[in-house]
Amino acid sequence: DGGITQSPKYLFRKEGQNVTLSCEQNLNHDAMYWYRQDPGQGLRLIYYSQIVNDFQKGDIAEGYSVSREKKESFPLTVTSAQKNPTAFYLCASSQWSGNTIYFGEGSWLTVV
Amino acid sequence: DQQVKQNSPSLSVQEGRISILNCDYTNSMFDYFLWYKKYPAEGPTFLISISSIKDKNEDGRFTVFLNKSAKHLSLHIVPSQPGDSAVYFCAASPRGSQGNLIFGKGTKLSVKP
Repeated sequence: DGGITQSPKYLFRKEGQNVTLSCEQNLNHDAMYWYRQDPGQGLRLIYYSQIVNDFQKGDIAEGYSVSREKKESFPLTVTSAQKNPTAFYLCASSQWSGNTIYFGEGSWLTVV
Repeated sequence: DQQVKQNSPSLSVQEGRISILNCDYTNSMFDYFLWYKKYPAEGPTFLISISSIKDKNEDGRFTVFLNKSAKHLSLHIVPSQPGDSAVYFCAASPRGSQGNLIFGKGTKLSVKP
């Protein structure tokens, strides 16, 4: 089945540790995105990439890093510099010319 | 400053009746609008969209209306079903942004049997 796969679904991290969230898509989409959702809030854009080996900061990029070495993959690293990392993280993708983005199932990150 | 606003955090509707979810925006550069449905602990699911050159788009039980002069759009669900109970997000895309969406905070819809 075509889709966007995020892993892990649930992740616990100790303060001071970096953690990487995986996102893979087999939709042959050019663009990929990372959003963050906090309780009672909308989705806020962290990073996006429209082409391999290129990515841009979104509205809340501080404390995060990404890479786009393959078209199918867009991992997100939450670094120790991110002050409030506990949140629900959503990966998404879209066609180059499309305005509609499609989401994965999300990953819960909890800092303990 | 919120560019996309969903002023009603929640809405309760009886099964079989119409659900109307509202969304306001401030940026006149938005030219594409979308509605997503989200269940707890799941990713949002795309529902329906509308281009700024249209004022209505319909897909089954879902219809989106766009009033550009008022910078307002609404999602109508008729008839509402208990399975429609979820959080609905309105999103807008600035001209030329190609997928870089701005989301509202969502409206939680509860459809009572």
